[in-house]
Amino acid sequence: QSVLTQPPSASGTPGQRVTISCSGSSSNIGSNTVNWYQQLPGTAPKLLIYRNNQRPSGVPDRFSGSKSGTSASLAISGLQSEDEADYYCAAWDDSLNGYVFGTGTKVTVL
Amino acid sequence: EVQLVESGGGLVQPGGSLRLSCAASGFTFSSYWMSWVRQAPGKGLEWVANIKQDGSEKYYVDSVKGRFTISRDNAKNSLYLQMNSLRAEDTAVYYCARRRNWGSVDYFDYWGQGTLVTVSS
Repeated sequence: QSVLTQPPSASGTPGQRVTISCSGSSSNIGSNTVNWYQQLPGTAPKLLIYRNNQRPSGVPDRFSGSKSGTSASLAISGLQSEDEADYYCAAWDDSLNGYVFGTGTKVTVL
Repeated sequence: EVQLVESGGGLVQPGGSLRLSCAASGFTFSSYWMSWVRQAPGKGLEWVANIKQDGSEKYYVDSVKGRFTISRDNAKNSLYLQMNSLRAEDTAVYYCARRRNWGSVDYFDYWGQGTLVTVSS
């Protein structure tokens, strides 16, 4: 069961800005850094953001992450059709002594 | 180029066993923690297990403790997941992932393509 809560869906037209929230608790987001993964249809997940706001090499700067307290968010600016995917937040949980993922958000480009 | 290639998935009856493998290349395998993550059909991601560089520490999600065993062979650059007493709810695509962790930082920077395990009679 996921302990990080995300909205099930988000959408926008090309060029718009879309934001996805991720709500956790003091034992996960409140204590550890947050990461975001992008899963394009039919493919494996890919690291999108790590350490709250760091982008791996090759990830466009249209993607940005932030964290405040026990919540985090992912923003996609200048939305493009190729951004249609599922997005998952994740963090280590000190109480569960395990890695936890968010419930996932499906982004649709209208 | 970092590559992780899983194999060993398939159809197995409830109560049966299966061993997954993950062949790693393009990096010094023995220097990294490794992990397994799974995804049930149409569902979200679930972390399954972690193993330290030398195999001395292993951690599991509660739902697989006592049934699954993660292991590695650094000489063969390979990661394994032995799955016993399989249940229908273990049906999922299983991904091998490289773990990066220090202090409060913990993430998976590379993932394999996944291998499908189906538990059904």
